[in-house]
Amino acid sequence: QVQLVQSGAEVKKPGSSVKVSCKASGGTFSSYAISWVRQAPRQGLEWMGGIIPIFGTANYAQKFQGRVTITADKSTSTAYMELSSLRSEDTGVYYCARGRAAYNWNDAVDYWGQGTLVIVSS
Amino acid sequence: EIVLTQSPGTLSLSPGERATLSCRASQSVSSFYLAWYQQKPGQAPRLLIYGASSRATGIPDRFSGSGSGTDFTLTISRLEPEDFAVYYCQQYGGSPPFTFGQGTKLEIK
Repeated sequence: QVQLVQSGAEVKKPGSSVKVSCKASGGTFSSYAISWVRQAPRQGLEWMGGIIPIFGTANYAQKFQGRVTITADKSTSTAYMELSSLRSEDTGVYYCARGRAAYNWNDAVDYWGQGTLVIVSS
Repeated sequence: EIVLTQSPGTLSLSPGERATLSCRASQSVSSFYLAWYQQKPGQAPRLLIYGASSRATGIPDRFSGSGSGTDFTLTISRLEPEDFAVYYCQQYGGSPPFTFGQGTKLEIK
């Protein structure tokens, strides 16, 4: 059974950075796309970007380009999402999610982490 | 970037009724690349439908998806109490970003 376990809640100051981790277990980590999805309070889902660890190259939504960095450590089956220059509008729950099929960007996501709440406040 | 528009924003129905949710894309989406998710308060989303019409593992057959091009539909044939939630469509074709619709809230009438 695949499980994605994310790091705990964070409170950050405006202008700082946050790094959220997503540790996978129960499956083959490197072959599957890991996406990061944000949900602002009482809002919808927003795809931020993702990575297929075995390929190593990340893709980002234009909105977050330059502020977000997604990486993966194959040795620990852990993906990371770092968001910099934080502002209050970045407050929300950040999810990691795994693609349904191996080696394929273009697929739905079928396993989700529990979400990490990030609060940006002075 | 493909924009997905879901309607209605809120749908009020009773258990046992049929629910029809719509997702319209700003440009054509291959049917292979359209998914539907269900999200309940305080929970992560759950995959219901992928490839526009294929049910994910463990999803009851009262959930069905259809559509092509720019118009897609999620149908719940007979609503159960646990089906009241927010539903999102997502397109994941071509190059990123893989956008979501803004969601439809299905509430108990």
